[in-house]
Amino acid sequence: GENVEQHPSTLSVQEGDSAVIKCTYSDSASNYFPWYKQELGKRPQLIIDIRSNVGEKKDQRIAVTLNKTAKHFSLHITETQPEDSAVYFCAASWTGGFKTIFGAGTRLFVKA
Amino acid sequence: EAGVTQSPTHLIKTRGQQATLRCSPISGHTSVYWYQQALGLGLQFLLWYDEGEERNRGNFPPRFSGRQFPNYSSELNVNALELEDSALYLCASSLEGAYEAFFGQGTRLTVV
Repeated sequence: GENVEQHPSTLSVQEGDSAVIKCTYSDSASNYFPWYKQELGKRPQLIIDIRSNVGEKKDQRIAVTLNKTAKHFSLHITETQPEDSAVYFCAASWTGGFKTIFGAGTRLFVKA
Repeated sequence: EAGVTQSPTHLIKTRGQQATLRCSPISGHTSVYWYQQALGLGLQFLLWYDEGEERNRGNFPPRFSGRQFPNYSSELNVNALELEDSALYLCASSLEGAYEAFFGQGTRLTVV
């Protein structure tokens, strides 16, 4: 069945360093790849997304890359800050977002 | 603009009972998605409703069911509750055919 693998499950970085989270998906029909940030006790919030016709997208300190051939995509956070500490979820979906398949999540700790 | 709202925020039930969770989507959104987030785990897709119909469901037993009303609000019903049903249940909504989904705050269901 459809599956999204996400690594690492936990990531600890020093403030100012970069953080990279990687995801691999199984269904080649996937054409939309959002990333969500979930702070403790709060709802997941979309932080960046990428569609299958684009290889890279950047928004300030956050960037996402997509390799459709290899079926993997990554989230890059540069100059990390303590407020980046949260759980990050990748997801893969198609046809307007129904049955979005989420990765298991990465708990990011940014140490001041 | 009001976001996705869910009620109740917390729900405690006894094993074997039934639970009903409610979700009001963002005004204008016709699609509602339900996800289960067990403690320490990722987001598992449960159900997708659009225009009053169930469009897709995840790998959950039939005792997980729901419906969508004419005003696009939705209800998730869980029958014959089991201890492992204890989780945060998140609802999300989107415009039909759109990519981005917005999450509610969730209902934390505890089965004792």
